[in-house]
This record gives sequence, C-alpha cells and structure tokens, in this order.
Amino acid sequence: DTEVTQTPKHLVMGMTNKKSLKCEQHMGHRAMYWYKQKAKKPPELMFVYSYEKLSINESVPSRFSPECPNSSLLNLHLHALQPEDSALYLCASSQGTGGLSYEQYFGPGTRLTVT
Amino acid sequence: EDQVTQSPEALRLQEGESSSLNCSYTVSGLRGLFWYRQDPGKGPEFLFTLYSAGEEKEKERLKATLTKKESFLHITAPKPEDSATYLCAVQARSNDYKLSFGAGTTVTVRA
Repeated sequence: DTEVTQTPKHLVMGMTNKKSLKCEQHMGHRAMYWYKQKAKKPPELMFVYSYEKLSINESVPSRFSPECPNSSLLNLHLHALQPEDSALYLCASSQGTGGLSYEQYFGPGTRLTVT
Repeated sequence: EDQVTQSPEALRLQEGESSSLNCSYTVSGLRGLFWYRQDPGKGPEFLFTLYSAGEEKEKERLKATLTKKESFLHITAPKPEDSATYLCAVQARSNDYKLSFGAGTTVTVRA
C-alpha cells in the first residue's frame, strides 16, 4: 500500500485564523515532506522531516509551522496567512533521505483558500 | 543549479495515436530521475524511477527511457484516461532530499 492521506480536502480561512493541515502515512517511511503547488506550476518544497526531525526549511515564512508528532504523522500549522498563500498543499513521504534515490509518494492534497 | 525542461508544454492526441514526451535535464551527478502523473486538483502519482543511462521501465501503455541528458516518456496507443499532466523530476547525488521538477506536459487524449 502506497497511500498518504491528508485532511481536510478543502479549507477556507480568513487572514486572522489559525488552522492545521494533517498528513498520515503507514508505509513505515522515515522521511516526510510538505510542498506547496500553485495552479499550472510544479510542486515547491517547503519542509523535510527525516526520522521525525526537521531537516530542511526552504526559507518558508514563519506563518507556516510544521510539526512531526511521530513517524507516521505530519502537521502544518497555519497562522495569519495572506491571500497569496492560497494553493494546493501536498504532503509526501519516502523510505528515507540520502543514499539511494527514494521515490516520494504524494497525498491527494489540501486545497487552501485564504480570504 | 539543477535544471529540468519538459517539452512540449501541451500535447493533444487522438485515441490510439502514440507519442513521446521529453524531459531534458542538467544535474551535477544524477542520483535518480522520476516520472509522475498528476490529475487536476490531485497529488502527483508516482510512475517510474530511472537511475542510469540506458535504463527503461514500462507500465501498461507507458514506457520511460533515460540517456545522459534526457528522458522520454512514450505513450503507446493512448486512451482518454491517460489524459493528465506528466511531471519529470531529478535528484542530484549532492542532495539528500530535494527533487527539481520540470513544468510538466499536459496530455489530452480525445476519443
């Protein structure tokens, strides 16, 4: 099974709201990722967690705050977002990072609209 | 800096009309090249990983090939359900985590 699940599927939030996106995988993968994708563009990497520790933050604004409670779960906490943050947010996981080239498996995404 | 260029941007095919998508890449030491399929509003679906020049992989009507400078995704006798955006991504040996994506090729197959 190569399934990554994400909730919610859709989210509409005001600029003063606080919300969270959730991601779960049960493939025993040790690396998890958050991506942002705008319409007709490829995914852009935001964060990488490797063995539950934040490995990479691609200079993402602090209004996005990731959290990895355990090896199967990944959250993205949102606060004081701007309308330009509206996008499809994708979670992905892979067996690991480094060494061999591990394919990343993506979830269905959360469509976020900031009003 | 790693670069990935996909062509064409869009491809319209008649059902059964075979064609190929191109992914040209520049990377300082290739660790892996990946092909994904993405339907509108959904996450990318993993298709293939290619590691070295000369390697080929097949899945149903899709066949991916790799040279030292480019990869091709061949679609044989496509069906309307093959309509999607196909993304190519590379990972460099110097990089443990990051995929560099191309802009994608949007394929539309008409019945």
